[in-house]
Amino acid sequence: GAVVSQHPSRVICKSGTSVKIECRSLDFQATTMFWYRQFPKQSLMLMATSNEGSKATYEQGVEKDKFLINHASLTLSTLTVTSAHPEDSSFYICSARGPDRLNTEAFFGQGTRLTVV
Amino acid sequence: AQSVTQLGSHVSVSEGALVLLRCNYSSSVPPYLFWYVQYPNQGLQLLLKYTSAATLVKGINGFEAEFKKSETSFHLTKPSAHMSDAAEYFCAVSEWTGNQFYFGTGTSLTVIP
Repeated sequence: GAVVSQHPSRVICKSGTSVKIECRSLDFQATTMFWYRQFPKQSLMLMATSNEGSKATYEQGVEKDKFLINHASLTLSTLTVTSAHPEDSSFYICSARGPDRLNTEAFFGQGTRLTVV
Repeated sequence: AQSVTQLGSHVSVSEGALVLLRCNYSSSVPPYLFWYVQYPNQGLQLLLKYTSAATLVKGINGFEAEFKKSETSFHLTKPSAHMSDAAEYFCAVSEWTGNQFYFGTGTSLTVIP
């Protein structure tokens, strides 16, 4: 199957700083990428959907100025958590979907555990 | 609109016993249905998926699931539980042509030796 690589897998940052998480599709063109957030012992909640070359579409309740998403190429999307606070500590997972025959499945990255201290 | 309900946030089975994890979906269009497994501090791994072909879908690690339209269900089963099956399992639904996945709240499977 297709491979999605997410980096970093773990990051610890100080409150007030910004953190960038990368999501790369290694062997297919990801026309659409999704960013999810998972709180401890809870399910994945979609934060935003991004299409290559377009502005991301954010789910209700997600602050787009705080969670900046860029999908500048068909193989890379980034999520930047700006001015991070302890309540932003969570597990962030991206997934990517390609066109045509790959469109029935979204391939997930390994996830990034963000801890804000 | 689509949604998934997973009955039972925690399921415990003895090693060698049948595993049954329940998933019911709601969808206004023919759905794609998925089961994912998540081990601690790891991402999601696809176990199996239903995409309108055979209603009985076989996945990895001996898991299978049956799509029952009349019951709007997609329950996950495995005949004999193994210790390595202990993990969090998520059911998800997606549209035919849509992009977004809707996940259930997850079921934590414990396997008792």
